Amino acid sequence: NAGVTQTPKFQVLKTGQSMTLQCAQDMNHEYMSWYRQDPGMGLRLIHYSVGAGITDQGEVPNGYNVSRSTTEDFPLRLLSAAPSQTSVYFCASRTVGVGYTFGSGTRLTVV
Amino acid sequence: AQRVTQPEKLLSVFKGAPVELKCNYSYSGSPELFWYVQYSRQRLQLLLRHISRESIKGFTADLNKGETSFHLKKPFAQEEDSAMYYCALSGTQGGSEKLVFGKGTKLTVNP
Repeated sequence: NAGVTQTPKFQVLKTGQSMTLQCAQDMNHEYMSWYRQDPGMGLRLIHYSVGAGITDQGEVPNGYNVSRSTTEDFPLRLLSAAPSQTSVYFCASRTVGVGYTFGSGTRLTVV
Repeated sequence: AQRVTQPEKLLSVFKGAPVELKCNYSYSGSPELFWYVQYSRQRLQLLLRHISRESIKGFTADLNKGETSFHLKKPFAQEEDSAMYYCALSGTQGGSEKLVFGKGTKLTVNP
């Protein structure tokens, strides 16, 4: 099993550009989540999903969209990047009875 | 609402000393509590789940529902324990499960 795979690992965007952060898991986990990690703020939940076709907003959803068309994939879209979205983004997944497994993260810089 | 509080941003101890990282939570239902560890610039790794009552790398944590706490303890700290530690709570709201984190405690173990 590859676990949770995030791509890209690094990305630099210009203000106003759009992009999609990819997240895929091969463990058949129902639950998937996106977090951003900023110094002093810990990990804040952006969006989460309890299964294919079902998504919900977390603490900081503004400026981000998600979809969950398959169990395996949970992409995060930045519609119009802003410098405030400079952060490290983590994707995680779990199934009942186990803890969340995290991806290795995407380090995003918006200039 | 789910809330996790880690009152200490920074904690510094000497090698061989006991260490306790504090975590308090707020949740109206039956929570599932976790401790995650993040070594420098790496992905988050699951350290402990309260349900499993395991001891990992010498760390233990007991859920105290009366005090709504889930403190992480180790009797003799090692230099390799230096890392960021995050307490997290998984709860169900409106049929959806989500995981929320505290802001983290940076543990430094000095030689």
